[in-house]
Amino acid sequence: EIVLTQSPGTLSLSPGERATLSCRASQSVSSSYLAWYQQKPGQAPRLLIYGASSRATGIPDRFSGSGSGTDFTLTISRLEPEDFAVYYCQQYGSSPGITFGQGTRLEIK
Amino acid sequence: QVQLVQSGAEVKKPGSSVKVSCKASGGTFSSYTISWVRQAPGQGLEWMGRIIPILGIANYAQKFQGRVTITADKSTSTAYMELSSLRSEDTAVYYCARGDRVVPAAIHPQPFDPWGQGTLVTVSS
Repeated sequence: EIVLTQSPGTLSLSPGERATLSCRASQSVSSSYLAWYQQKPGQAPRLLIYGASSRATGIPDRFSGSGSGTDFTLTISRLEPEDFAVYYCQQYGSSPGITFGQGTRLEIK
Repeated sequence: QVQLVQSGAEVKKPGSSVKVSCKASGGTFSSYTISWVRQAPGQGLEWMGRIIPILGIANYAQKFQGRVTITADKSTSTAYMELSSLRSEDTAVYYCARGDRVVPAAIHPQPFDPWGQGTLVTVSS
């Protein structure tokens, strides 16, 4: 099973700032089958990024993903008030052994 | 636009079973896998298993082997997740989500999109 470790656990920033979230895998993620999700309280997760760097439909271009192998990054270029939420990475390439990171909470400073 | 609609909240006694449904509309049900993910209160996301509807084959996370059964009814485009021998630690929101694309002789990995709205299962005596 591929273990995903996200850092930091909590990130405190102000609107307008840049956010950088990290996701490290215990072994290489095949074909960059790495996704990022955003979850707000009381809601289901929403797909943001797939294939490590492709934005899902309707996702603003301030969200970007990068990385390969074992190290991946989600960047939010300029934080909007609605971006404060919990973010999860997921590897979906070693199906059926799909795994999620433990999450990064992005909170308003 | 595919939508997944789940059944309502459940309250169960320890030792009993729960069965949650996930009905798909607006798309081709059998062309994708359906996964189940749970989230305990204040915790992260945990993948439980998936069904390949066109084949009727299910795969399970090792943690849930022997306690979870995932099935699908192609005629109603509905997937089901049944969890048995419930304990208090199973109190969580359970989500279904569309996953891998299934084509003849191959399964293409896909991220989870869309998700159902979630079903709260509370296990309490």
